[in-house]
Amino acid sequence: DTAVSQTPKYLVTQMGNDKSIKCEQNLGHDTMYWYKQDSKKFLKIMFSYNNKELIINETVPNRFSPKSPDKAHLNLHINSLELGDSAVYFCASSHPGTGVYEQYFGPGTRLTVT
Amino acid sequence: AQSVTQLGSHVSVSEGALVLLRCNYSSSVPPYLFWYVQYPNQGLQLLLKYTSAATLVKGINGFEAEFKKSETSFHLTKPSAHMSDAAEYFCAVTPRGGTSYGKLTFGQGTILTVHP
Repeated sequence: DTAVSQTPKYLVTQMGNDKSIKCEQNLGHDTMYWYKQDSKKFLKIMFSYNNKELIINETVPNRFSPKSPDKAHLNLHINSLELGDSAVYFCASSHPGTGVYEQYFGPGTRLTVT
Repeated sequence: AQSVTQLGSHVSVSEGALVLLRCNYSSSVPPYLFWYVQYPNQGLQLLLKYTSAATLVKGINGFEAEFKKSETSFHLTKPSAHMSDAAEYFCAVTPRGGTSYGKLTFGQGTILTVHP
């Protein structure tokens, strides 16, 4: 009965590789997000999709490309990985409903680039 | 642009003592405010939210927060700390309406340590 799930939980890869992180939510929400948490635990939004449409695109290198095949899934593909991409990536979802956009987070994917 | 400041990156209390975690925001219009908790190696869990109803908001695990517009603050409190409260706590804001789509701006986080 997991609400927001992410795979994989851990990802170790070498510089220059391409990798993907998958996210799924079973809450029936319309909006999904990707956040990056750096080594100092600082959280920053990267992208957001609403009903498969990109609505937030922060200043993120274009090596990062989100894809939403349907409103329950939001994947993150990263090309040409760099050392600085090492972080924990969190997926979240929300339902606009009252306009509050209360967000529910997944367990995170710890990406280590060597 | 909105911003959030959490005063104190580390707070240490004894079990049974009052917990007070500070959060101040900067926004031209009172935003929606949230407190999240992150246990080690886990995701973020919503503790409570302020959406302009009551200014004193009660959340899970005995936590509450009070919205004070005059002080632009949303401090988190718990009357009696429990060992299981040890975690990192994040304050976050999102603008009301507009096209923010719930974009959260987070504070730097406060690590709460609870001593026996």
